[in-house]
Amino acid sequence: DAKTTQPTSMDCAEGRAANLPCNHSTISGNEYVYWYRQIHSQGPQYIIHGLKNNETNEMASLIITEDRKSSTLILPHATLRDTAVYYCIVRVLHGATNKLIFGTGTLLAVQP
Amino acid sequence: GAVVSQHPSRVICKSGTSVKIECRSLDFQATTMFWYRQFPKQSLMLMATSNEGSKATYEQGVEKDKFLINHASLTLSTLTVTSAHPEDSSFYICSARVEGAGEAFFGQGTRLTVV
Repeated sequence: DAKTTQPTSMDCAEGRAANLPCNHSTISGNEYVYWYRQIHSQGPQYIIHGLKNNETNEMASLIITEDRKSSTLILPHATLRDTAVYYCIVRVLHGATNKLIFGTGTLLAVQP
Repeated sequence: GAVVSQHPSRVICKSGTSVKIECRSLDFQATTMFWYRQFPKQSLMLMATSNEGSKATYEQGVEKDKFLINHASLTLSTLTVTSAHPEDSSFYICSARVEGAGEAFFGQGTRLTVV
């Protein structure tokens, strides 16, 4: 699976949009971009995933660049409960060895 | 999303004893389950992958005789930490996935403390 690069930490004001970047310059054509988050002392929570088109769900939006070498997760109106470590992961969709390998992630701190 | 339940959430055991952690997919059948370990201020480290009815595949450096994984049904996988030592104290997390589905779902984690 391709490796990803994320900033170690970011701050965001409550109520503002949080934009979390991720670089995945070695992504393969059949690899998807996944985002998970982990609130302190809990298991990771799935947020969103996409291949090449932008995606939106009730939690967030995922913007993938045209060359697919980077993406941005957008939380439109961050709240204090969005404070967590956000992980960007790239992997293939199918296959018996379809593993999620976590990097170091971005610690997002939402400030009141 | 689908629900994965992990039990117990916290366990304290004496050094040298064994501890079993259960991971259940409550509303779906999980063809594959993953076990992770997380030390304080570190990311999740994949320990092993298990498919229902077959032996688990362990990541490099993970002792298969120490961390016994059983995936006997499509809704249950267990991780047994045998002869636990204080250095095994960690946060253990399971994940379950349906073949062909994109996302994997995670349990709430088990905090193991070996004293």
